[in-house]
Amino acid sequence: GENVEQHPSTLSVQEGDSAVIKCTYSDSASNYFPWYKQELGKRPQLIIDIRSNVGEKKDQRIAVTLNKTAKHFSLHITETQPEDSAVYFCAASSDAGGTSYGKLTFGQGTILTVHP
Amino acid sequence: EAGVVQSPRYKIIEKKQPVAFWCNPISGHNTLYWYLQNLGQGPELLIRYENEEAVDDSQLPKDRFSAERLKGVDSTLKIQPAELGDSAVYLCASSLGSGGRWNEQFFGPGTRLTVL
Repeated sequence: GENVEQHPSTLSVQEGDSAVIKCTYSDSASNYFPWYKQELGKRPQLIIDIRSNVGEKKDQRIAVTLNKTAKHFSLHITETQPEDSAVYFCAASSDAGGTSYGKLTFGQGTILTVHP
Repeated sequence: EAGVVQSPRYKIIEKKQPVAFWCNPISGHNTLYWYLQNLGQGPELLIRYENEEAVDDSQLPKDRFSAERLKGVDSTLKIQPAELGDSAVYLCASSLGSGGRWNEQFFGPGTRLTVL
């Protein structure tokens, strides 16, 4: 089955700095890669996703890049703010068959702390 | 638009007791997922439904866990009997479908289970 590795496990930055979280996956059939933000005691919320037909996607201060050959994808947050502090999870899935079809395999999570 | 609804939000039980969790997905979402999230980890899929059919229950510990989605809308996850190791957050998610552009998953707030 799919295996997703996420690094770093904790990340501390100053407000205004950039933050980068990296994930690798194992199943070459995976083609859908969402990122979720989870605040303490809250539900995971989808913040951005990318499908394997594109290499990069941006939404305001958030961007995701995908290298399908190397099987890794990254989340980039620019101009970080204290309210960006949360746990971030990457995930991988297939929307077109394979063992990862229809289910998200999550990374272990990254605790991001943005200091004012 | 209402999101995924789960109840109860918190449950404390003695070991060996039964417990049930309820989930109502986003209206029109055919695919429903139950995930288990242990503290400090990413969610792990327990079971996935397409309408009323359980299409992936390979991760569900069937000796004590059961689930149903009789009318293809809301769903119940049951544990009987509960063990100490079952203490975790049980998350429900839904999506329009499993394939193509319809597999974006939206999560409910979860039920935090504590087994004493």
